[in-house]
Order: sequence, then C-alpha cells, then structure tokens
Amino acid sequence: SAVISQKPSRDICQRGTSLTIQCQVDSQVTMMFWYRQQPGQSLTLIATANQGSEATYESGFVIDKFPISRPNLTFSTLTVSNMSPEDSSIYLCSGGLGVTPGADTQYFGPGTRLTVL
Amino acid sequence: ILNVEQSPQSLHVQEGDSTNFTCSFPSSNFYALHWYRWETAKSPEALFVMTLNGDEKKKGRISATLNTKEGYSYLYIKGSQPEDSATYLCALGYGQNFVFGPGTRLSVLP
Repeated sequence: SAVISQKPSRDICQRGTSLTIQCQVDSQVTMMFWYRQQPGQSLTLIATANQGSEATYESGFVIDKFPISRPNLTFSTLTVSNMSPEDSSIYLCSGGLGVTPGADTQYFGPGTRLTVL
Repeated sequence: ILNVEQSPQSLHVQEGDSTNFTCSFPSSNFYALHWYRWETAKSPEALFVMTLNGDEKKKGRISATLNTKEGYSYLYIKGSQPEDSATYLCALGYGQNFVFGPGTRLSVLP
C-alpha cells in the first residue's frame, strides 16, 4: 500500500491568485494523478502527472490553468492559477503501484479543500 | 463519455440496520470496478476491486457483488455502525483513468 499526504489541507484564496498543492507519497508509485471534486459533483480526473515530462491533461483541463510538476517518483505539485470562485473544490492526488491504473487500487491523499472568494 | 450512476444519493439508517446501495454503468469494456469509502477530511479508502462478472467480495460486515452483463454493482453493509458513516464511491477503471460515480452518503444514527 501507499500513504499519501497533501499540503495544505485547506485554504481560502482571493480571486486572481494562484495556489500550489503538494502531494507526497511514502513509496515509489508508478503513476500519480490529480483529481478535483466540485460541490455536488463526482471526482473528476484533471491530469496524469508524469515523472520528468509534461503532464497528460484530460479534456477540459489545460496546462496554463493547472500546471503540474513531478520531479521524482514520490512527489508532485498541482498549481491552480488565476483562481476564480468556480475553482472552489476539493483537490486530491492519488498514486498507484501497478502499471495498469484502471485495474489497480489507487491510493488517495486526504484532499485540499479550496475556497476562492 | 462513460457515465457512472449511484443510488441513492444519501441514506440515513439506524445503528444495527443492514443496508445496500447501487452503482450502475453502461456495460462496456473496463478493467475493474472499484469501491471506496470516503470519510470527511480523510483519504478515500479502497474497499474492493472487482473484475469478473459474478464477483463477490467481502471485508468484515461489508460485501459487494458485480454484474457486468447488466451493468451494476451492489454494496451491502450488515449491521451498520456509526463508524460506517461516510460517502461510498464506485469507480470504473479503464485505461489510465477512473470514472467515479457521485457517491452515496450514508449516515448511521446511534
């Protein structure tokens, strides 16, 4: 298994600013992902964080808005840029130990609860 | 776009009651169906990974079944306890992606 921590656990930010969320895994995971859950909505995948290369974004998410870094196998960051109230969500990172993410258990961080005023 | 539905949206039961809820999805090729329990301010916790039609998994008082032909999975909780209060998520895993349902929020009243 893997234990994942996130910082910060919550934040309240002003419109137009940016927030960087950190994700730390206690073991080397093959895949890392970033999700968000907007109020009343399902968890939605933002992107796959690739070590040493650009993240792979899902439809509707772009690098300029959600830049992601993954410098090594245990750490990743997600930045929410130029925030608006619509970005108020819970952001979660996850990691998997296998090579087939859809088939393997994903381990999740506790989430970052973001409120944008 | 794959759509995963869960019902009911929320559920209130008394301590000791048994309960069940449903995850439904279009029958299609996917690697696995996953169930998670998500308590407020905690990490979603993996409960089951199910891959085969007819799969049944059990973990303590919680069990799950999978019917891929008709496109549903049931999660059962026997003798609910207050600590079972959480949101239960199902997700279809395919390719590099999980597609989550909206969850069932369970409240167990003492």
